[in-house]
Amino acid sequence: KAGVTQTPRYLIKTRGQQVTLSCSPISGHRSVSWYQQTPGQGLQFLFEYFSETQRNKGNFPGRFSGRQFSNSRSEMNVSTLELGDSALYLCASSLEVSSPLKQYFGPGTRLTVL
Amino acid sequence: AQTVTQSQPEMSVQEAETVTLSCTYDTSESDYYLFWYKQPPSRQMILVIRQEAYKQQNATENRFSVNFQKAAKSFSLKISDSQLGDAAMYFCAYRSGANAGKSTFGDGTTLTVKP
Repeated sequence: KAGVTQTPRYLIKTRGQQVTLSCSPISGHRSVSWYQQTPGQGLQFLFEYFSETQRNKGNFPGRFSGRQFSNSRSEMNVSTLELGDSALYLCASSLEVSSPLKQYFGPGTRLTVL
Repeated sequence: AQTVTQSQPEMSVQEAETVTLSCTYDTSESDYYLFWYKQPPSRQMILVIRQEAYKQQNATENRFSVNFQKAAKSFSLKISDSQLGDAAMYFCAYRSGANAGKSTFGDGTTLTVKP
């Protein structure tokens, strides 16, 4: 099976712009979680989707949003980018929310905001 | 809210020797899972080992084993016969049984393996 894929792998944007990141989970996986990784804040949970519904949300401003499609692919959007949004964004997928032991991470999207 | 603490920002070990990475967590839940992830410089996060809180037996995966002390809320990772490929950032993570889609991570420990 192919692993979790994320596109694009690298992205450069300027302040004020918006960006959309994509995550394709492992085939058959229905849960997708997103994390932001920065040197200063570490790994922080953004949100989690299951069957097209947001089930959990972390402590991020409303500029961060996401969605999940019927094929379980997920996108996250960041509007009005700030310098502090520069980070590695990771997504992880699992078969079911009730399968906490089987969560797999993608390679991440490196976002740089200038 | 759950918290995960890794008190060792950096550790080093000689090749073929053993190293232990520390992790403590705080939770009021009884149903949860603990993980160690490895993130090499290429950035792909890889699951190393996992432990269900209800299991008393410590998990083992080849050269990797954990010391799970539930009462002390401690979850350390032991790497035996360290190899150069073990060099990476290691993250300890907590996942609630009731909220399994969200993981709480520690700040990570950078492990250097010296030849």
